[in-house]
Amino acid sequence: QQQVKQSPQSLIVQKGGISIINCAYENTAFDYFPWYQQFPGKGPALLIAIRPDVSEKKEGRFTISFNKSAKQFSLHIMDSQPGDSATYFCAASGGSSNTGKLIFGQGTTLQVKP
Amino acid sequence: NAGVMQNPRHLVRRRGQEARLRCSPMKGHSHVYWYRQLPEEGLKFMVYLQKENIIDESGMPKERFSAEFPKEGPSILRIQQVVRGDSAAYFCASSPQRWGTEAFFGQGTRLTVV
Repeated sequence: QQQVKQSPQSLIVQKGGISIINCAYENTAFDYFPWYQQFPGKGPALLIAIRPDVSEKKEGRFTISFNKSAKQFSLHIMDSQPGDSATYFCAASGGSSNTGKLIFGQGTTLQVKP
Repeated sequence: NAGVMQNPRHLVRRRGQEARLRCSPMKGHSHVYWYRQLPEEGLKFMVYLQKENIIDESGMPKERFSAEFPKEGPSILRIQQVVRGDSAAYFCASSPQRWGTEAFFGQGTRLTVV
């Protein structure tokens, strides 16, 4: 119930293409869904986050799509650039005990080819 | 405003030694979370602390691991009698409140047990 499943595990995209990463959750009490970007040797950095009261949120080239009924959310990176090459993690938090702890997906390693 | 500071960045310990990992949250943040990242895996929640209190330690191994966040000074994650399986990156995150706000991550401490 506390799991967040992320796919694909790795992704190769040409420069200028669209990168799409998907996540699914089980706990319907989750109410905060962030995406983090992590470069090698660095800590995760928040990219964009969404709450279940909206179906889509866009910030620059990054868009989260949220499907509450399917319990799925996805990250779309438009016009992907080599500098976007990193590992991306979806996460979720919330629930009855709601301590703010994040449940992370397994991560997606994105490589954007020039 | 300095970010979340973790030290040391790299730590090598022999089996059976103790490891102490330090985390200074961002200024004004009183909520600290510790996560562990094993190679090629996502981040796993370990413990959530507020000043002088452990709020949620549901992700903490029952033995050898402890955490504190004293009134003064950094939060400390202590691992006693380290074993090879403790080798991982340990990340600390801080936030100004516990629910639904951005958690800022430090650069992590990479622990290697030899």
